[in-house]
Amino acid sequence: DGGITQSPKYLFRKEGQNVTLSCEQNLNHDAMYWYRQDPGQGLRLIYYSQIVNDFQKGDIAEGYSVSREKKESFPLTVTSAQKNPTAFYLCASSSGTSSYNEQFFGPGTRLTVL
Amino acid sequence: EDKVVQSPLSLVVHEGDTVTLNCSYEVTNFRSLLWYKQEKKAPTFLFMLTSSGIEKKSGRLSSILDKKELFSILNITATQTGDSAIYLCAVSGTASKLTFGTGTRLQVTL
Repeated sequence: DGGITQSPKYLFRKEGQNVTLSCEQNLNHDAMYWYRQDPGQGLRLIYYSQIVNDFQKGDIAEGYSVSREKKESFPLTVTSAQKNPTAFYLCASSSGTSSYNEQFFGPGTRLTVL
Repeated sequence: EDKVVQSPLSLVVHEGDTVTLNCSYEVTNFRSLLWYKQEKKAPTFLFMLTSSGIEKKSGRLSSILDKKELFSILNITATQTGDSAIYLCAVSGTASKLTFGTGTRLQVTL
């Protein structure tokens, strides 16, 4: 089965802790993305990567970090510097770096800070 | 800064009605406009539009783009309860990243 997997589905964190969200794809896609979705808002881009070992900040990168050591994997770390991390996090991938390639989404991780 | 505005924000219709969802945008070096349907978790891809005036159709859903007036519409005819979802519009410019609107929440009642 080809697709994008995210884990865990639900994550609870205490204030001051760093947590890492996993995103894996077996679609052989070059580009991967992390979005954050808050109630009543659309998706906002956190980070994206168009190729292994390279990534760029999106619109709301502060308080987050990523790595892209393998083509299949693009983990997102939510650091204690992120002021309001409770949200739904979506990972996506696309087959190329062109603007004409649609993005495919994983099932998401819901992060709650206690 | 790229911007996408969707309207209405939410909509309640009866099964069998036809609905039109709107998406207007401002983007540097427009490349494409995409529509997604989000039911519970992952958005699923519906359409990608790159050229003005060419309607894309899939079953009861259709969409068209107007690059002169900078908007797109998504039509759903003979709505069913399974059409209840958030419909997201996104645009891409020079980079491969997408800018999303806030979405339109559609509820179809019996």
